[in-house]
Amino acid sequence: ETGVTQTPRHLVMGMTNKKSLKCEQHLGHNAMYWYKQSAKKPLELMFVYSLEERVENNSVPSRFSPECPNSSHLFLHLHTLQPEDSALYLCASSQDLASGGYEQYFGPGTRLTVT
Amino acid sequence: DAKTTQPPSMDCAEGRAANLPCNHSTISGNEYVYWYRQIHSQGPQYIIHGLKNNETNEMASLIITEDRKSSTLILPHATLRDTAVYYCIVRVVYGGGADGLTFGKGTHLIIQP
Repeated sequence: ETGVTQTPRHLVMGMTNKKSLKCEQHLGHNAMYWYKQSAKKPLELMFVYSLEERVENNSVPSRFSPECPNSSHLFLHLHTLQPEDSALYLCASSQDLASGGYEQYFGPGTRLTVT
Repeated sequence: DAKTTQPPSMDCAEGRAANLPCNHSTISGNEYVYWYRQIHSQGPQYIIHGLKNNETNEMASLIITEDRKSSTLILPHATLRDTAVYYCIVRVVYGGGADGLTFGKGTHLIIQP
């Protein structure tokens, strides 16, 4: 595997379900990100992790819970979602800025549908 | 981060140069200009970035005006696979930590056969 991978690629869940999205980066980076892209809207930053510490939480509802157990893996735990949470969820990674991490590398995304 | 303005859509003939403009009139001295693109339903892809000098890589060239209030991304020989939404992003690059990107609506570039 190379680059940034995300699983699953597609997910359909009910409003009472609990599910997790997984992201793995094979680039040796030390910063990871979650973004959300709803239909017809720009990408929105959700969470930023640097050196496994959460450094930014962009006013995201608590039904989204991120976890970064190590520098290569990032999870987004989902529970009691709403239909309006249906979107493409994108993970990205980069080097931290002190190491010259100017560009972010994105995964292919998980297409989430909440029914 | 400074705000950017891009045309919502552009057409370009295959094989010709595609020139995508971006206005960032409120850019400050320590803000970089980045370009990403997103092919339909895929993750965004980094293209190029610059501070004040023109930059070129294997994908594109970035021309930044002397006053840094605008820039142009140039795809020298556009192909059908370059059809995508192109985002111009201006951001400060701090000395440490990590910083998320703020995406606008971008320019939908359509390459015509």
